Amino acid sequence: NAGVMQNPRHLVRRRGQEARLRCSPMKGHSHVYWYRQLPEEGLKFMVYLQKENIIDESGMPKERFSAEFPKEGPSILRIQQVVRGDSAAYFCASSPLGTKNIQYFGAGTRLSVL
Amino acid sequence: SQQGEEDPQALSIQEGENATMNCSYKTSINNLQWYRQNSGRGLVHLILIRSNEREKHSGRLRVTLDTSKKSSSLLITASRAADTASYFCATEKETSGSRLTFGEGTQLTVNP
Repeated sequence: NAGVMQNPRHLVRRRGQEARLRCSPMKGHSHVYWYRQLPEEGLKFMVYLQKENIIDESGMPKERFSAEFPKEGPSILRIQQVVRGDSAAYFCASSPLGTKNIQYFGAGTRLSVL
Repeated sequence: SQQGEEDPQALSIQEGENATMNCSYKTSINNLQWYRQNSGRGLVHLILIRSNEREKHSGRLRVTLDTSKKSSSLLITASRAADTASYFCATEKETSGSRLTFGEGTQLTVNP
């Protein structure tokens, strides 16, 4: 049973470009979470999705960031017009149910904005 | 200060010694989870302890939870060099659905 798969592992973008980060949850998991980690810091919640629904996006910046989890395919975190401050590690987690369950994390995507 | 604060920030011990890390939080929780992160890698789940539990064990790990003090501790016994990593506590608050609030982590170094 494969774990949470994220790709790419590393992504380099120039300022103003778009970044697309993908996350395939563990088999049987229908709840996906995105977190961001700045260097030397803990993870910060961004968004929580179920299939075709955004449940909680209270941690998402209001502009340039969006997330989706379509009926088929991986969850996508999209960052438009990236800036240097977007450089971070972005982690996806999944769980079989919502509250009160373990979240299993992927290896992360490290975004570098030049 | 923010939910889920670990102390100490950094801990350096010798192989074979025990390592204790603490976590404090501010609001009522459903559960508290401990994760390990090796440098530049993803997070590995260690233990989940629910708000009605006081202690849990898993191998060389022992976690306690004191909801009256809003604190938790992670004890690693007989540490090994391979335990060198950052350790994070994460809380699932009663009022915030299933999102986790992470602390800043404790960097543990186990010297051979």
